[in-house]
Amino acid sequence: GAVVSQHPSWVICKSGTSVKIECRSLDFQATTMFWYRQFPKQSLMLMATSNEGSKATYEQGVEKDKFLINHASLTLSTLTVTSAHPEDSSFYICSALSTGALTDTQYFGPGTRLTVL
Amino acid sequence: GQNIDQPTEMTATEGAIVQINCTYQTSGFNGLFWYQQHAGEAPTFLSYNVLDGLEEKGRFSSFLSRSKGYSYLLLKELQMKDSASYLCAVRFPGGYNKLIFGAGTRLAVHP
Repeated sequence: GAVVSQHPSWVICKSGTSVKIECRSLDFQATTMFWYRQFPKQSLMLMATSNEGSKATYEQGVEKDKFLINHASLTLSTLTVTSAHPEDSSFYICSALSTGALTDTQYFGPGTRLTVL
Repeated sequence: GQNIDQPTEMTATEGAIVQINCTYQTSGFNGLFWYQQHAGEAPTFLSYNVLDGLEEKGRFSSFLSRSKGYSYLLLKELQMKDSASYLCAVRFPGGYNKLIFGAGTRLAVHP
């Protein structure tokens, strides 16, 4: 159980274009999902918290107009990188919050590697 | 600011025991998580502590001391496949229980 998928697994795009990344919880419903980015050999940096049916909560320093988040259903959240530039190249990982008997746990998707040329 | 510190790299021998430490100074605390991450892959959940003491799950154990802001992950009977990064993460109370991650510890297991 607690499987999270992401699509696409990798994407290459030209500078100035927009890219959409999907995050799905496959076998459980997730009111809350999270979006992270990770640079090589560094840890995960939380970008935003995505809540079904409401606006996302962005971490300090993350441009909400550049990283658009939509959490339209209990199993799907999307991250759109608008007008992507080479500095946006990174590994983007989502997680979905699963409610358990002992605690709520974040389960991670396999990540999306974005390369902006 | 929030500080979560882990050693950058560790090496160990197959079959041995290794302890990965994590210290934290954060403005809130509602539990500590350990995740394993192989290169290029997503993190996978290993363990969770919210109360002081030791939690054991097979070859992996995790310890927490809230008064000291300290946790460790203990890996026994090391296998080559345990070579990975190990991420310590503090969960913040309230709201949506967000996690703040340490930089991770890269563990290399040698024959």
